[in-house]
Amino acid sequence: KNEVEQSPQNLTAQEGEFITINCSYSVGISALHWLQQHPGGGIVSLFMLSSGKKKHGRLIATINIQEKHSSLHITASHPRDSAVYICAVHPNTGNQFYFGTGTSLTVIP
Amino acid sequence: KAGVTQTPRYLIKTRGQQVTLSCSPISGHRSVSWYQQTPGQGLQFLFEYFSETQRNKGNFPGRFSGRQFSNSRSEMNVSTLELGDSALYLCASSSIGTFVGETQYFGPGTRLLVL
Repeated sequence: KNEVEQSPQNLTAQEGEFITINCSYSVGISALHWLQQHPGGGIVSLFMLSSGKKKHGRLIATINIQEKHSSLHITASHPRDSAVYICAVHPNTGNQFYFGTGTSLTVIP
Repeated sequence: KAGVTQTPRYLIKTRGQQVTLSCSPISGHRSVSWYQQTPGQGLQFLFEYFSETQRNKGNFPGRFSGRQFSNSRSEMNVSTLELGDSALYLCASSSIGTFVGETQYFGPGTRLLVL
């Protein structure tokens, strides 16, 4: 059973396109994270959300607590955005950290 | 500030051996978390240390253990290695801990291969 589901698993886009990656979870949470992992393994924490919406440059993350759903949007995508994007949640109960399987994004020039 | 560093970066061991991985957090950070990433299971949380105490723990067997020193550096130990322990081991640091709602900063990882 996966507490966190991401879609799509793989995504190919043309440079400049608007991209949306979705994350659904099945447990009550205290926070949701979006992570970016480039080839080679390095991970960068993009956002941490407990409600509403956050924006950083061309990246926007939203969360709907009632629907147990979050989206990561990339506006004006660029080849350097090519990476795996991972959603992770902290449940309300228990000290755990559940991860989605990731969305592999390739942006073609 | 220097980022999170992990040593060694690559390691090859054989089944039954033990291994110790090291993580040096960003200066001033007191929380260090460890994660395992495999192609089959993805990312999984191992444990978090804060001020030399294990504060949170994931669902891994007792062969996986860790500790944190007074300078916040952390080590992770895996005893009696199994083939399935082959993975990328990542550590991440933050000031007071990601479980209290803080962003964490990841190291480059240690890639362990068990033969």
